[in-house]
Amino acid sequence: EVQLVESGGIVVQPGRSLRLSCVASGFTFDDYTMHWVRQVPGKGLEWVSLITWDGLTTYYADSVKGRFTISRDNTRNSLYLLMNNLRLDDSALYFCAQGSLYSGTYRSPHYDHWGRGTQVTVSS
Amino acid sequence: QSVLTQPPSVSGTPGQRVTITCSGSNSNIGINYVYWYQQVPGMAPKLLIFRNNLRPSGVPDRFSGSKSGTSASLAISGLRSDDEADYYCAGWDDGLSGPLFGGGTKLTVL
Repeated sequence: EVQLVESGGIVVQPGRSLRLSCVASGFTFDDYTMHWVRQVPGKGLEWVSLITWDGLTTYYADSVKGRFTISRDNTRNSLYLLMNNLRLDDSALYFCAQGSLYSGTYRSPHYDHWGRGTQVTVSS
Repeated sequence: QSVLTQPPSVSGTPGQRVTITCSGSNSNIGINYVYWYQQVPGMAPKLLIFRNNLRPSGVPDRFSGSKSGTSASLAISGLRSDDEADYYCAGWDDGLSGPLFGGGTKLTVL
């Protein structure tokens, strides 16, 4: 059974940094592109970032570019999101999502599996 | 501006057929596949349709997707009370170099 378990979400002050983690199991982690998607409670989904299976290619939403860094450790089946200079509007539930298999295009919002999310609240 | 536009809400009665639309542009839907997700409040989204009109294993054939030009639609037939959820379309946007989600449509089963 595929499992994605996010952690690291807390209440943090504006301008501070935070690192989210997502531990994967039940599939060959280093075969898949991985994504972070966030959602403000009661609002819609917003894609945040992706990293290809080999860690060599990353993309970011304009809203987080230059502040967030996605990374992965395939030896630990883990995905990370380092969030710097946090803003009030970064408050959201952050989901880790399994993207496309390496043999296909990573340019796709095809998410077969999602975690339950970790809540980040930016507040002074 | 790259956006995918969905109606905020739709409703129907049990057994009825409803359609949710998703309007995009030539930088997203017009040239890339469309995906649809169902999200029950408090839960993670669930993939309903991929590559415009394909269903993952386990998704009933009451759910169907279509695409024409820069617009796409999700149709739900034989509406059931447990179909009540939020529905999101999604697609890759070449201008943004990233995935784009629609604003979501809340389906109410009356």
